[in-house]
Amino acid sequence: QVQVVESGGGVVQPGRSLRLSCAASGFPFSNYAIHWVRQAPGKGLEWVAIMSYDGKNKYYADSVKGRFTISRDNSKSTLFLQMNSLRLEDTAVYYCARGSDSAYNSFDYWGQGTLVTVSS
Amino acid sequence: IQMTQSPSTLSASVGDRVTITCRASQSISSRLAWYQQKVGRAPSLLIYQASTLESGVPSRFSGGGSGTEFTLTISSLQPGDFATYYCQQYITYPLTFGGGTKVEIK
Repeated sequence: QVQVVESGGGVVQPGRSLRLSCAASGFPFSNYAIHWVRQAPGKGLEWVAIMSYDGKNKYYADSVKGRFTISRDNSKSTLFLQMNSLRLEDTAVYYCARGSDSAYNSFDYWGQGTLVTVSS
Repeated sequence: IQMTQSPSTLSASVGDRVTITCRASQSISSRLAWYQQKVGRAPSLLIYQASTLESGVPSRFSGGGSGTEFTLTISSLQPGDFATYYCQQYITYPLTFGGGTKVEIK
């Protein structure tokens, strides 16, 4: 069955870096766009970034542009999010989500999320 | 594109018919999805293209609208439906969500 599993979260000081991973299985990873979506504690959902199936196209939310970098390794069915210059407001659960077959840029499968806490 | 949901909280009883509204700040055609999120869980896709039910979603859920006004209706609320619901536009980047509607037990 389709699975996406995030890892790499933790506690980090402001200004430092962290790299998240999303390992996928159960579907042809190289055929799908994959997204990062985050949710601050007690808040709503915020889309963060997308990478196209072939890695050629990527887009970011304004709140992370220039600080976060999305990448993928199709040979390992893994998506990454390199987060630099972290801020207190980046504290959130980060979800990896697959772009839907039926409606591109909606999200049909989600991981369980990984918590990133930015704190001094 | 800004997405605005109303109400932010809705109190209802099992068996009630409930409707949640989502408004877009500009036309998004029918490029709208709805998600359900239960406490401590990841969101799950309910509806895409404004009115198409995702596979496995019960038929008591329905979506409607186009352009800037959309609705999510639950025809007869079940115990497992108490959750937070989000709309999301996917016509353009940045992709954006509504602020959420929490459906709680009356």
